[in-house]
Amino acid sequence: QSALTQPASVSGSPGQSITISCTGSSSDVGGYNYVSWYQQYPGKAPKLIIFDVSNRPSGASNRFSGSKSGNTASLTISGLQAEDAADYYCSSYRSSSTPLVFGTGTKVTVL
Amino acid sequence: EVQLLESGGGLVQPGGSLRLSCAASGFTFSNYAMSWVRQAPGKGLEWFSTISGRGGSTDYADSVKGRFTISRDNSKDTLYLEMNSLRADDTAVYFCAKDRAVVVPAGPDYWGQGILVTVSS
Repeated sequence: QSALTQPASVSGSPGQSITISCTGSSSDVGGYNYVSWYQQYPGKAPKLIIFDVSNRPSGASNRFSGSKSGNTASLTISGLQAEDAADYYCSSYRSSSTPLVFGTGTKVTVL
Repeated sequence: EVQLLESGGGLVQPGGSLRLSCAASGFTFSNYAMSWVRQAPGKGLEWFSTISGRGGSTDYADSVKGRFTISRDNSKDTLYLEMNSLRADDTAVYFCAKDRAVVVPAGPDYWGQGILVTVSS
């Protein structure tokens, strides 16, 4: 029941673009388009920012975009802003008795 | 507006039991799967249980299987989590989360504010 793999930290300067990867297997990320991304501030609940690989829910900034290639999904934050400093988690449906799995989480720092 | 409000957390001794509730509003509760996700202090998100919209299907992570039971009362728009044989490593903030699908978890779209469960003597 291993978690999806994300880089522990990613940083960028204001205005830059950064990309966070989320690597799984053909049983989860690679096999289904049920990949979601969440933003979480300290002490707060996660907030959905991308669902089904590349769709943005109402209210999510259009600076967030998602994609997938093989067993790796990616979240790109363009035009980085101070308010983007947070933790980011991916999740995916997994074809097993444990059908939902989260990524290890990535801390984004705005320099 | 979708709202999820957890209750029932607190301090419990190792080996003890606790029951969490999650009151839902703002959507047709029975139309969606619901999950429990937890986050240990300073750690990442851990999914550990999902129940289908009508309650006929449940899934658990190995870490809680046999000790925790997820259930729902669609007449009360409420999700429950019965936790038994609690251990120190169950200490975490517990979130209830609404899924976007009815049966298989496509991924949560709304989360409760979370409630702290501390297992300690």
